[in-house]
Amino acid sequence: AQKVTQAQTEISVVEKEDVTLDCVYETRDTTYYLFWYKQPPSGELVFLIRRNSFDEQNEISGRYSWNFQKSTSSFNFTITASQVVDSAVYFCALSEHNAGNMLTFGGGTRLMVKP
Amino acid sequence: NAGVTQTPKFQVLKTGQSMTLQCAQDMNHEYMSWYRQDPGMGLRLIHYSVGAGITDQGEVPNGYNVSRSTTEDFPLRLLSAAPSQTSVYFCASSYGGRSYEQYFGPGTRLTVT
Repeated sequence: AQKVTQAQTEISVVEKEDVTLDCVYETRDTTYYLFWYKQPPSGELVFLIRRNSFDEQNEISGRYSWNFQKSTSSFNFTITASQVVDSAVYFCALSEHNAGNMLTFGGGTRLMVKP
Repeated sequence: NAGVTQTPKFQVLKTGQSMTLQCAQDMNHEYMSWYRQDPGMGLRLIHYSVGAGITDQGEVPNGYNVSRSTTEDFPLRLLSAAPSQTSVYFCASSYGGRSYEQYFGPGTRLTVT
């Protein structure tokens, strides 16, 4: 069965600090997909990134970067030089290729960036 | 494009009442799904559909029904509301199912008293 763990329930940083959000997953499938979504205080869910299990290249998009490591079953998300607008709940999610259309979310990490 | 729309935004029900949460998308996506979001538990899949006329259960389907008569619409029915169904409900659609990013609606906050 697939499982996603986001051990950090809440993180508080001061603006301009770097912060890393951890995501650890469990799967028996060799083909799977990993996602990060952002939920700002307004409540909507915004897609950030998708990774498939065969692509271990790290990704950078502006201040955001993702570190995918199959050896440790982790898909961590780093925000460099955090800003107040980064304050949100961030969800990591996993979908196994052989699990029908199930998408399993972690419990989320609430990030608070203080000015 | 309106994307994914949901109505209503807020709803209060009494235990035992039934209601339908509406969801529509205008992106011609085949795959649609319903999630509930409870504090500390992330989002959990209730039901999903891979196309008109095809639906299947997710992780927490009990107490909910769905149907998909058109590509655009995917309503979620609560048959007999219970306080345990108090939650925020999100509808989502995607181009190709589980391996593609989901586009989420704004959510419906439901309270059952």
